[in-house]
Amino acid sequence: SQQGEEDPQALSIQEGENATMNCSYKTSINNLQWYRQNSGRGLVHLILIRSNEREKHSGRLRVTLDTSKKSSSLLITASRAADTASYFCATDAPRSGAGSYQLTFGKGTKLSVIP
Amino acid sequence: DAGVTQSPTHLIKTRGQHVTLRCSPISGHKSVSWYQQVLGQGPQFIFQYYEKEERGRGNFPDRFSARQFPNYSSELNVNALLLGDSALYLCASSYLGSGELFFGEGSRLTVL
Repeated sequence: SQQGEEDPQALSIQEGENATMNCSYKTSINNLQWYRQNSGRGLVHLILIRSNEREKHSGRLRVTLDTSKKSSSLLITASRAADTASYFCATDAPRSGAGSYQLTFGKGTKLSVIP
Repeated sequence: DAGVTQSPTHLIKTRGQHVTLRCSPISGHKSVSWYQQVLGQGPQFIFQYYEKEERGRGNFPDRFSARQFPNYSSELNVNALLLGDSALYLCASSYLGSGELFFGEGSRLTVL
Protein backbone atom coordinates (compact mmCIF):
# COMPACT_ATOMS: atom_id res chain seq x y z
CA SER A 1 0.00 0.00 0.00
CA GLN A 2 1.12 3.57 -0.58
CA GLN A 3 1.41 5.73 2.49
CA GLY A 4 2.46 8.96 0.86
CA GLU A 5 0.34 10.91 -1.56
CA GLU A 6 2.02 13.55 -3.68
CA ASP A 7 0.24 16.60 -4.94
CA PRO A 8 -0.03 17.60 -7.70
CA GLN A 9 0.17 14.43 -9.81
CA ALA A 10 1.66 16.45 -12.65
CA LEU A 11 3.23 19.90 -12.83
CA SER A 12 4.41 21.85 -15.86
CA ILE A 13 6.48 25.03 -15.45
CA GLN A 14 8.81 27.26 -17.43
CA GLU A 15 12.56 27.09 -16.95
CA GLY A 16 13.64 29.46 -14.19
CA GLU A 17 10.41 29.17 -12.23
CA ASN A 18 10.12 27.46 -8.86
CA ALA A 19 8.42 24.08 -8.49
CA THR A 20 6.63 23.01 -5.32
CA MET A 21 5.48 19.47 -4.66
CA ASN A 22 3.60 18.30 -1.60
CA CYS A 23 3.42 14.96 0.17
CA SER A 24 1.00 13.74 2.82
CA TYR A 25 1.37 10.57 4.84
CA LYS A 26 -0.72 8.64 7.35
CA THR A 27 1.36 7.14 10.17
CA SER A 28 4.16 8.35 12.42
CA ILE A 29 7.60 8.36 10.81
CA ASN A 30 11.29 8.27 11.64
CA ASN A 31 12.24 10.27 8.58
CA LEU A 32 10.93 11.37 5.20
CA GLN A 33 12.94 11.27 2.02
CA TRP A 34 12.53 12.61 -1.49
CA TYR A 35 13.71 10.69 -4.55
CA ARG A 36 13.86 11.54 -8.23
CA GLN A 37 13.28 9.16 -11.14
CA ASN A 38 14.02 9.86 -14.79
CA SER A 39 11.81 8.05 -17.32
CA GLY A 40 11.30 4.77 -15.45
CA ARG A 41 14.93 4.34 -14.52
CA GLY A 42 16.41 3.92 -11.04
CA LEU A 43 15.58 6.31 -8.23
CA VAL A 44 18.09 8.86 -7.01
CA HIS A 45 18.06 10.08 -3.43
CA LEU A 46 17.66 13.85 -3.10
CA ILE A 47 17.27 14.69 0.56
CA LEU A 48 16.34 13.18 3.93
CA ILE A 49 14.61 15.05 6.73
CA ARG A 50 14.24 13.55 10.18
CA SER A 51 11.02 13.70 12.18
CA ASN A 52 12.55 16.21 14.62
CA GLU A 53 13.60 18.59 11.82
CA ARG A 54 11.32 21.20 10.25
CA GLU A 55 13.33 22.40 7.26
CA LYS A 56 16.34 21.31 5.30
CA HIS A 57 18.23 22.72 2.32
CA SER A 58 20.44 21.12 -0.28
CA GLY A 59 21.54 23.27 -3.21
CA ARG A 60 18.39 24.36 -5.05
CA LEU A 61 16.23 22.04 -2.94
CA ARG A 62 14.30 23.04 0.15
CA VAL A 63 12.26 20.49 2.10
CA THR A 64 9.86 21.21 4.94
CA LEU A 65 8.22 18.75 7.28
CA ASP A 66 5.15 19.29 9.43
CA THR A 67 4.60 16.20 11.56
CA SER A 68 1.45 17.64 13.14
CA LYS A 69 -0.15 17.77 9.68
CA LYS A 70 1.71 14.69 8.44
CA SER A 71 2.89 16.57 5.39
CA SER A 72 6.06 17.63 3.61
CA SER A 73 6.88 19.87 0.70
CA LEU A 74 9.75 19.90 -1.78
CA LEU A 75 10.69 23.19 -3.40
CA ILE A 76 13.01 23.28 -6.40
CA THR A 77 14.16 26.82 -7.09
CA ALA A 78 15.25 28.23 -10.45
CA SER A 79 14.19 25.07 -12.27
CA ARG A 80 16.07 23.74 -15.29
CA ALA A 81 14.99 21.51 -18.16
CA ALA A 82 17.19 18.80 -16.63
CA ASP A 83 14.91 18.79 -13.55
CA THR A 84 12.22 17.13 -15.67
CA ALA A 85 11.50 13.85 -13.86
CA SER A 86 9.12 12.16 -11.43
CA TYR A 87 9.57 13.00 -7.76
CA PHE A 88 8.58 10.65 -4.95
CA CYS A 89 8.34 11.08 -1.23
CA ALA A 90 9.12 8.06 0.91
CA THR A 91 8.56 7.50 4.60
CA ASP A 92 10.32 5.27 7.08
CA ALA A 93 8.03 4.27 9.92
CA PRO A 94 9.29 3.23 13.34
CA ARG A 95 10.14 -0.45 13.06
CA SER A 96 10.96 -3.43 15.18
CA GLY A 97 13.90 -5.75 14.76
CA ALA A 98 17.54 -4.92 14.27
CA GLY A 99 18.40 -4.06 10.71
CA SER A 100 14.83 -3.99 9.44
CA TYR A 101 14.09 -1.10 7.14
CA GLN A 102 11.47 -0.41 4.51
CA LEU A 103 10.34 2.71 2.75
CA THR A 104 6.77 3.45 1.75
CA PHE A 105 6.57 5.53 -1.41
CA GLY A 106 3.86 7.80 -2.73
CA LYS A 107 2.62 7.77 -6.32
CA GLY A 108 4.85 10.64 -7.35
CA THR A 109 4.63 14.04 -9.02
CA LYS A 110 5.61 14.23 -12.67
CA LEU A 111 7.45 17.51 -13.24
CA SER A 112 7.97 18.93 -16.71
CA VAL A 113 10.25 21.96 -17.06
CA ILE A 114 9.82 23.67 -20.41
CA PRO A 115 12.95 25.37 -21.83
CA ASP B 1 33.01 3.15 -7.41
CA ALA B 2 30.40 0.92 -9.01
CA GLY B 3 26.81 1.57 -8.05
CA VAL B 4 24.10 -1.00 -7.56
CA THR B 5 23.99 -3.29 -10.58
CA GLN B 6 20.99 -5.33 -11.67
CA SER B 7 20.56 -8.01 -14.32
CA PRO B 8 18.95 -8.56 -16.66
CA THR B 9 17.83 -5.05 -17.62
CA HIS B 10 14.88 -6.25 -19.69
CA LEU B 11 13.18 -9.61 -20.03
CA ILE B 12 10.00 -11.05 -21.45
CA LYS B 13 8.32 -14.10 -19.98
CA THR B 14 5.01 -15.88 -20.49
CA ARG B 15 2.40 -16.61 -17.86
CA GLY B 16 3.29 -19.51 -15.59
CA GLN B 17 7.03 -19.21 -16.11
CA HIS B 18 9.61 -18.48 -13.46
CA VAL B 19 12.06 -15.56 -13.32
CA THR B 20 15.25 -14.82 -11.37
CA LEU B 21 16.50 -11.26 -11.02
CA ARG B 22 19.95 -10.47 -9.69
CA CYS B 23 21.42 -7.56 -7.78
CA SER B 24 24.91 -6.58 -6.68
CA PRO B 25 24.98 -3.91 -3.98
CA ILE B 26 27.51 -1.15 -3.58
CA SER B 27 30.71 -2.52 -2.08
CA GLY B 28 30.47 -2.47 1.70
CA HIS B 29 26.68 -2.26 1.80
CA LYS B 30 25.15 -5.06 3.84
CA SER B 31 21.47 -4.38 3.27
CA VAL B 32 19.62 -5.12 0.04
CA SER B 33 15.97 -4.35 -0.60
CA TRP B 34 13.68 -5.18 -3.50
CA TYR B 35 10.85 -2.98 -4.74
CA GLN B 36 8.24 -3.47 -7.45
CA GLN B 37 7.15 -0.47 -9.48
CA VAL B 38 4.10 -0.84 -11.68
CA LEU B 39 3.72 1.74 -14.45
CA GLY B 40 2.40 5.02 -13.10
CA GLN B 41 2.82 4.07 -9.44
CA GLY B 42 5.47 4.49 -6.80
CA PRO B 43 7.75 1.59 -5.79
CA GLN B 44 6.28 -0.99 -3.42
CA PHE B 45 8.42 -2.82 -0.90
CA ILE B 46 8.87 -6.56 -1.48
CA PHE B 47 11.80 -7.75 0.67
CA GLN B 48 14.70 -6.52 2.71
CA TYR B 49 17.80 -8.50 3.65
CA TYR B 50 20.44 -7.42 6.11
CA GLU B 51 23.50 -9.48 6.92
CA LYS B 52 22.04 -12.31 4.83
CA GLU B 53 18.87 -12.60 6.88
CA GLU B 54 15.35 -11.56 5.82
CA ARG B 55 14.44 -8.50 7.87
CA GLY B 56 11.23 -7.48 6.21
CA ARG B 57 8.62 -8.70 3.76
CA GLY B 58 5.96 -6.67 2.01
CA ASN B 59 2.45 -7.68 1.07
CA PHE B 60 3.34 -10.01 -1.77
CA PRO B 61 2.27 -13.64 -2.35
CA ASP B 62 4.50 -16.62 -1.63
CA ARG B 63 5.32 -16.82 -5.32
CA PHE B 64 7.86 -14.14 -4.53
CA SER B 65 11.04 -15.19 -2.73
CA ALA B 66 14.52 -13.81 -2.31
CA ARG B 67 17.85 -14.54 -0.75
CA GLN B 68 21.12 -12.81 0.02
CA PHE B 69 24.45 -14.45 -0.54
CA PRO B 70 27.65 -14.28 1.59
CA ASN B 71 29.01 -11.57 -0.72
CA TYR B 72 25.79 -9.56 -0.03
CA SER B 73 24.49 -9.91 -3.58
CA SER B 74 20.86 -10.93 -3.86
CA GLU B 75 18.35 -12.75 -6.03
CA LEU B 76 14.63 -12.19 -6.37
CA ASN B 77 12.64 -15.15 -7.64
CA VAL B 78 9.07 -15.06 -8.89
CA ASN B 79 7.24 -18.31 -9.68
CA ALA B 80 4.09 -18.92 -11.71
CA LEU B 81 4.21 -15.51 -13.34
CA LEU B 82 0.99 -13.58 -13.83
CA LEU B 83 0.28 -10.72 -16.22
CA GLY B 84 0.10 -8.43 -13.20
CA ASP B 85 3.73 -9.16 -12.33
CA SER B 86 4.79 -7.00 -15.28
CA ALA B 87 6.72 -4.17 -13.66
CA LEU B 88 10.08 -2.55 -13.04
CA TYR B 89 11.87 -4.43 -10.26
CA LEU B 90 14.24 -2.23 -8.35
CA CYS B 91 17.04 -3.29 -6.05
CA ALA B 92 18.44 -0.89 -3.49
CA SER B 93 21.33 -1.16 -1.09
CA SER B 94 22.39 0.68 2.04
CA TYR B 95 25.21 0.31 4.52
CA LEU B 96 23.37 -0.08 7.79
CA GLY B 97 19.92 -0.84 6.49
CA SER B 98 18.67 2.65 7.17
CA GLY B 99 18.73 6.16 5.77
CA GLU B 100 19.44 6.80 2.13
CA LEU B 101 18.85 3.96 -0.31
CA PHE B 102 20.97 3.57 -3.44
CA PHE B 103 18.95 2.14 -6.30
CA GLY B 104 19.97 0.20 -9.35
CA GLU B 105 18.51 0.94 -12.78
CA GLY B 106 16.02 -1.89 -12.42
CA SER B 107 14.96 -4.99 -14.30
CA ARG B 108 11.93 -4.44 -16.51
CA LEU B 109 9.82 -7.59 -16.63
CA THR B 110 7.08 -8.06 -19.18
CA VAL B 111 4.76 -11.04 -18.76
CA LEU B 112 2.77 -12.01 -21.85
